This record gives sequence, structure tokens and C-alpha cells, in this order.
Amino acid sequence: ETGVTQSPTHLIKTRGQQVTLRCSSQSGHNTVSWYQQALGQGPQFIFQYYREEENGRGNFPPRFSGLQFPNYSSELNVNALELDDSALYLCASSLAAGLANYNEQFFGPGTRLTVL
Amino acid sequence: KNQVEQSPQSLIILEGKNCTLQCNYTVSPFSNLRWYKQDTGRGPVSLTIMTFSENTKSNGRYTATLDADTKQSSLHITASQLSDSASYICVVTRLVQTGANNLFFGTGTRLTVIP
Repeated sequence: ETGVTQSPTHLIKTRGQQVTLRCSSQSGHNTVSWYQQALGQGPQFIFQYYREEENGRGNFPPRFSGLQFPNYSSELNVNALELDDSALYLCASSLAAGLANYNEQFFGPGTRLTVL
Repeated sequence: KNQVEQSPQSLIILEGKNCTLQCNYTVSPFSNLRWYKQDTGRGPVSLTIMTFSENTKSNGRYTATLDADTKQSSLHITASQLSDSASYICVVTRLVQTGANNLFFGTGTRLTVIP
């Protein structure tokens, strides 16, 4: 176990609805990254939060938004759900320091989102 | 373009046999390379991490190699077990100052170990 938790584990929504996914980072970690992983594909970077600020974003539309709280937990919000949003959503926590490139990301178990 | 390619896409082996998974990358500048194991529907779990100066790293029955000159890595699994059935993902980190969006993922190799 990595110490990173995500909720819920599974979720079924219909097209057009909104969803909020949650992630609790490993103790002591101040950085959370969110990824979307379609079936049979590698994870795709959505965005990263560092000390409550967005610290980079991948090629995802604005209807994907996030938050990071003072305790470094994080939320991923997706508005106007589309069928293609069906995927495993992973969060990963890490401790950013300096260039922060060696710091390993620890992944949570993921939330499986199904959009009907 | 920064890319990570893995081969084979899938692999089926008998329990007890060895196998080797390949990873080629074009990510630059290079910081480190990680191999993750991902069970179906679960988050990836780190197996090994190697920096530029390391050319081999072991974790139990898993041994990773890195050739930074040819930009190739391999993951060797010895004496495979049924529990090794999973996807194995190669992830290369790019050395950038912002620290965000600097991980490049392969699409993984799906390994199935059969009795």
C-alpha cells in the first residue's frame, strides 16, 4: 500500500452530469497529480497541484478542474461528462523539493468512472 | 517528441519461466526511469527506479537494466508466479525545472502467467 487513498472506488454517471473524485495524499507529501487512464492505455497527465496551486496541466479541456486543500488532499471535478470520460482516474502524491524530478510519485488505487 | 514505447504489447508465459520486457524512449533531457506493476483496475506500484548513472537495479525477482546511450531499458522477471500477471508500465521522467507534466508513460506490457 502506498498510503494514497481515493474515493469512491467506482462511480457510474450519465452523460452531461458532473462528478467529483477525491484523493488523500501520503503523509508528508505536498504535491498531487491526476491522471486519466483509458482501458489498455497508459495514464495521461491531467494536472498537478503543489501547495494548493495548479502547477501544470495536460491536454484536457477546462471542464476538468481541481482543487488542493491545506492538508494537501485534492479533488478532481469533471463537468458535462462525456462518454469518452469513462476511465480509471489515478492520483499520485509526491514531495516536491527543488527541481523535484527525482521524487517518486506514489499512486492511489484509482476511481473507475463509467459514463453511460 | 518525447515518447516511451514498450514491447511486446502482451505476453503469455508458463509459471516458473523467465521473461524480459522492453522499453525504448526518446525523452530528453533524461532524469530517471521507473518500472511500475499495475494490477487490473488498480493503481501502479513502483518496482524499480534508475537514474542516468545506474545500469541495473533489482527488486526480488525483478531486475531492470538501463542503457542511457541507446535509451533502452528492460525488465527481467525470473521464476514467474501467477501473481506476476499484470501490466508493467515503463515511465521516464524528463529533467525540467517546473516539475509538472514531466512523466512520460508507456502503454504497458500485459503479462499473463498461466499454470
